[in-house]
Amino acid sequence: AQSVTQLGSHVSVSEGALVLLRCNYSSSVPPYLFWYVQYPNQGLQLLLKYTSAATLVKGINGFEAEFKKSETSFHLTKPSAHMSDAAEYFCAVTQGGGGNKLTFGTGTQLKVEL
Amino acid sequence: DTAVSQTPKYLVTQMGNDKSIKCEQNLGHDTMYWYKQDSKKFLKIMFSYNNKELIINETVPNRFSPKSPDKAHLNLHINSLELGDSAVYFCASSQDVAATYEQYFGPGTRLTVT
Repeated sequence: AQSVTQLGSHVSVSEGALVLLRCNYSSSVPPYLFWYVQYPNQGLQLLLKYTSAATLVKGINGFEAEFKKSETSFHLTKPSAHMSDAAEYFCAVTQGGGGNKLTFGTGTQLKVEL
Repeated sequence: DTAVSQTPKYLVTQMGNDKSIKCEQNLGHDTMYWYKQDSKKFLKIMFSYNNKELIINETVPNRFSPKSPDKAHLNLHINSLELGDSAVYFCASSQDVAATYEQYFGPGTRLTVT
C-alpha cells in the first residue's frame, strides 16, 4: 500500500521568502514521487519527479525537492517565492507495477503575500 | 495544440440524468486515466486504460462506465447521476504504465448535479 501525507493544508509566505512544502510518503517498495501544481480552475502540471536517480531533483519554475529515504520525505522548496507561485500543490506517489496508479496527498494551498 | 483535452469544461445537470465526458490526447501515449477531485480538492484515481484495455478499476459505483474506442480517446459515461457525483473530473495520459512516466492532465470537467 502507498500513501502520502502533506503537512499543512495552507502555507503563507512573503514574496522573496523561502518556500517549503512538506511531503512524507509510505510505500512498501521503492517509490516514485511527483509534485504537481494546480492553478485555479486548471488541470495539474508536473513540477518535478523522483524516479530513483539523483536524490535532489530540480523542476520547473525554480522548484526542487530532495528524496530522503531515511525520513521518508520528499519536501518541495524554492529559494525565493514569487506572486505567481500562489497555487495548490500536490505530492503524489506511485510504485512499479499496478498500472501506474498515482496516490495523491491532500494538497497544500500556497499563498504569497507582498 | 492542447495535449490532453476534455469536453465539456462545465456540465450542469439534474439528478437521475445520464451524461458523458470525453477526453482526447494527442501525445501518442498508450495509457489514459480518469481521476475525480472532490470539493476538498482530494484527487483519487477511478480508472486506467492501457492500449484500450482496462487495467485499473477502483471502487467506483458501476453507474460510471469508461470506454476507450482507441488509444487516443477515453470517455466516461455516468448513469443516474447523484448529488454526490458533483466534482471535477480529470483525464490524464502517460507514455505507458511504467511508474517512471509522468501523467499529463487535462483541464478538467466540472460536473454539478442539482
